[in-house]
Amino acid sequence: KAGVTQTPRYLIKTRGQQVTLSCSPISGHRSVSWYQQTPGQGLQFLFEYFSETQRNKGNFPGRFSGRQFSNSRSEMNVSTLELGDSALYLCASSLGDSYSGNTIYFGEGSWLTVV
Amino acid sequence: QQQVKQSPQSLIVQKGGISIINCAYENTAFDYFPWYQQFPGKGPALLIAIRPDVSEKKEGRFTISFNKSAKQFSLHIMDSQPGDSATYFCAASRGSNYQLIWGAGTKLIIKP
Repeated sequence: KAGVTQTPRYLIKTRGQQVTLSCSPISGHRSVSWYQQTPGQGLQFLFEYFSETQRNKGNFPGRFSGRQFSNSRSEMNVSTLELGDSALYLCASSLGDSYSGNTIYFGEGSWLTVV
Repeated sequence: QQQVKQSPQSLIVQKGGISIINCAYENTAFDYFPWYQQFPGKGPALLIAIRPDVSEKKEGRFTISFNKSAKQFSLHIMDSQPGDSATYFCAASRGSNYQLIWGAGTKLIIKP
């Protein structure tokens, strides 16, 4: 069974540009969550999508957005990039049903550098 | 009330020693407590998890101890090995809202 796949793995963008990151969840998983991780920092929750609907949202500005497609694949977009957006962006998938305790599986992340 | 407080921030242990990482929570509705392990350049991966109906769960060298009255849970790594060097995150979730609340992480270094 293939794991969570994130693309691209590495990218460099200029301040003011926008970026789109992609995530393919494990087959059968309907929930996709996105996290931002800066060096030496913890996991900052961005948002979670379940069956194409945003179900949970973290405390990030509106420049950060996402969506989920009917095949559960998800994209996140960051507009008007700032230097502080440089981070590892992690996608995680799970079955996502209402039962607490579903294991979430992370991808290897997309490293974004803003210059 | 939604926070999970993790300590220490970093930890250095000699090979063969016991590594202990602690987490504390406030929300008594939490009913699932996983620990994730993250190696540099990789995404976190589930290591071990516990529910509050048991006080301890062991998988190999890794043990979660859970103290419901103190609202604390901890990860113990016995016979720590250099390959255990990683960042460890605790987390908690509750009921039908499965969204995980994460600790800040502990960077563990095992000295050979």
